[in-house]
Amino acid sequence: NAGVTQTPKFQVLKTGQSMTLQCAQDMNHNSMYWYRQDPGMGLRLIYYSASEGTTDKGEVPNGYNVSRLNKREFSLRLESAAPSQTSVYFCASSEALTGAIGYEQYFGPGTRLTVT
Amino acid sequence: AQSVTQLGSHVSVSEGALVLLRCNYSSSVPPYLFWYVQYPNQGLQLLLKYTTGATLVKGINGFEAEFKKSETSFHLTKPSAHMSDAAEYFCAVSDREGSQGNLIFGKGTKLSVKP
Repeated sequence: NAGVTQTPKFQVLKTGQSMTLQCAQDMNHNSMYWYRQDPGMGLRLIYYSASEGTTDKGEVPNGYNVSRLNKREFSLRLESAAPSQTSVYFCASSEALTGAIGYEQYFGPGTRLTVT
Repeated sequence: AQSVTQLGSHVSVSEGALVLLRCNYSSSVPPYLFWYVQYPNQGLQLLLKYTTGATLVKGINGFEAEFKKSETSFHLTKPSAHMSDAAEYFCAVSDREGSQGNLIFGKGTKLSVKP
């Protein structure tokens, strides 16, 4: 069981470039999430997917798009990267929406993104 | 709206001393509460959670937390700190008022353990 995996681990982009962060889970979870972590800010939710085929905005969705490719995979795309998107990005998954039932979220190891 | 406040961005204790990390929340509905730990350059790992039932919750690595509704608190404790406890700790409340998709995190408390 690998849990939640993320690729790449590190990435440097120039302003205006695009990229997709990949996330996969092997726990047969229904719900998946993308967070960003900035120093002194905790984690903030970007987008989430309650179940396969659905996605919803979180607290800070501007500048991002997501795709729930299938039950296992949830990708995050930056169409035109900006320096303000320099951050550490975490993917997480849970059996069902945490807010509905209280299921814990399992986190991946993170992607460290720098936009110059 | 729900929110979480962690008092103290940095806490330093000596090895063997009591660890107390403070967390207060605001919520108009019964909350689901979580503590996560993050070791350097790693993802977050669940320490413990409270949903319903017993208000004293025991977690991994000897940590426990008590849900106190009257104080809107969920403080994390460990009787005796170990060097390996040095990490950043995040308290979180589950969004039950809005879309239910959120874990709302505090800003984190970095724990240092001195030998």
